[in-house]
Amino acid sequence: EDQVTQSPEALRLQEGESSSLNCSYTVSGLRGLFWYRQDPGKGPEFLFTLYSAGEEKEKERLKATLTKKESFLHITAPKPEDSATYLCAVHTYSGNTGKLIFGQGTTLQVKP
Amino acid sequence: KAGVTQTPRYLIKTRGQQVTLSCSPISGHRSVSWYQQTPGQGLQFLFEYFSETQRNKGNFPGRFSGRQFSNSRSEMNVSTLELGDSALYLCASSSQGNQPQHFGDGTRLSIL
Repeated sequence: EDQVTQSPEALRLQEGESSSLNCSYTVSGLRGLFWYRQDPGKGPEFLFTLYSAGEEKEKERLKATLTKKESFLHITAPKPEDSATYLCAVHTYSGNTGKLIFGQGTTLQVKP
Repeated sequence: KAGVTQTPRYLIKTRGQQVTLSCSPISGHRSVSWYQQTPGQGLQFLFEYFSETQRNKGNFPGRFSGRQFSNSRSEMNVSTLELGDSALYLCASSSQGNQPQHFGDGTRLSIL
């Protein structure tokens, strides 16, 4: 069964303290891995797409990387406005066009 | 460019009633997917529509149904509401099934 697991569930950082969020996946065939940010009361906001192992994408303080079994979202020198829940989702080849399988998310809190 | 619009934002219903939620995708997007988000289960895929055809369906009972119109707008219907249907219902659109999905801010459905 296709599965996506994120860790840790919650993360507290001091402003400027860099860290990484993990997304491990077990799927029959990966078509793409997506990272989203979700703020309270809002829908998920698209951040990155990664399609193949070794691929990296960057946006401001965020950098996403992909291996054959997991993806990392690195946060460099975070600021309080980076506080949110970060969601990882995979799109697979198992005949389910358009279906995303989501992890449970990592809730990040950055304190000033 | 306008984002995904979902109406209404909030809805309160009682058990046994039915409800219809609406989603207007980003202009030009033909794929519309629906997800249910709850604290316990996270984001779970309901179904996907592409060019007015349901292309994929998640593991939800037949009380959950949807449709898509020729202008790509989509509606989701839930009949015979149960307490467990209380959730945030999210709609996402993309140009094709394997492209990044962009989410609306959801409809918060509460069942009394």
